[in-house]
Amino acid sequence: DGGITQSPKYLFRKEGQNVTLSCEQNLNHDAMYWYRQDPGQGLRLIYYSQIVNDFQKGDIAEGYSVSREKKESFPLTVTSAQKNPTAFYLCASSTESGLTEAFFGQGTRLTVV
Amino acid sequence: AQSVTQLGSHVSVSEGALVLLRCNYSSSVPPYLFWYVQYPNQGLQLLLKYTSAATLVKGINGFEAEFKKSETSFHLTKPSAHMSDAAEYFCAVSENTGFQKLVFGTGTRLLVSP
Repeated sequence: DGGITQSPKYLFRKEGQNVTLSCEQNLNHDAMYWYRQDPGQGLRLIYYSQIVNDFQKGDIAEGYSVSREKKESFPLTVTSAQKNPTAFYLCASSTESGLTEAFFGQGTRLTVV
Repeated sequence: AQSVTQLGSHVSVSEGALVLLRCNYSSSVPPYLFWYVQYPNQGLQLLLKYTSAATLVKGINGFEAEFKKSETSFHLTKPSAHMSDAAEYFCAVSENTGFQKLVFGTGTRLLVSP
């Protein structure tokens, strides 16, 4: 079945460490996104990519980095510069057409310990 | 830039009662509008979408929403709530200008009591 796979589901990080969240899709979608979810704040866009080897900052990109070397993959690195990284992270993908919706992965819950 | 406002962070209904979740949007161009549902510790699942066809949109699980341009609203309704409807619901908007970039509301948690 086609879909988006995020791993791991739960991740614990010590302060000062970088961690990478994985996102893979087999929907043949061109566009991919990373959102951060905090209670009461909805989903906020971190980074998005419309095509391989290209990506743009979203609303809260500071402290995060991404790469898009393959169409299927869009990993997110949470760096030590991110002041408050504990959150639920969601990856999504879509076609470029505005007529179709975004499909979401199951999320990764990151906790700084 | 587009934005979404969801009135009420929590809505409580009894099983069998009408569900009404409110969403108002702001967009400088004709919008596309979406409702998503999220169960605890899971991703988002599309309930329904408006893409400038019929203004009354029917979705999965008996939900529907009506696009009202004059009121800039896209409220979600269901005639009779079921216990399994308890979840968080997000309204989202994107601009009808090519590349889709969704902007989400802050979400409404629906509580269903027996």
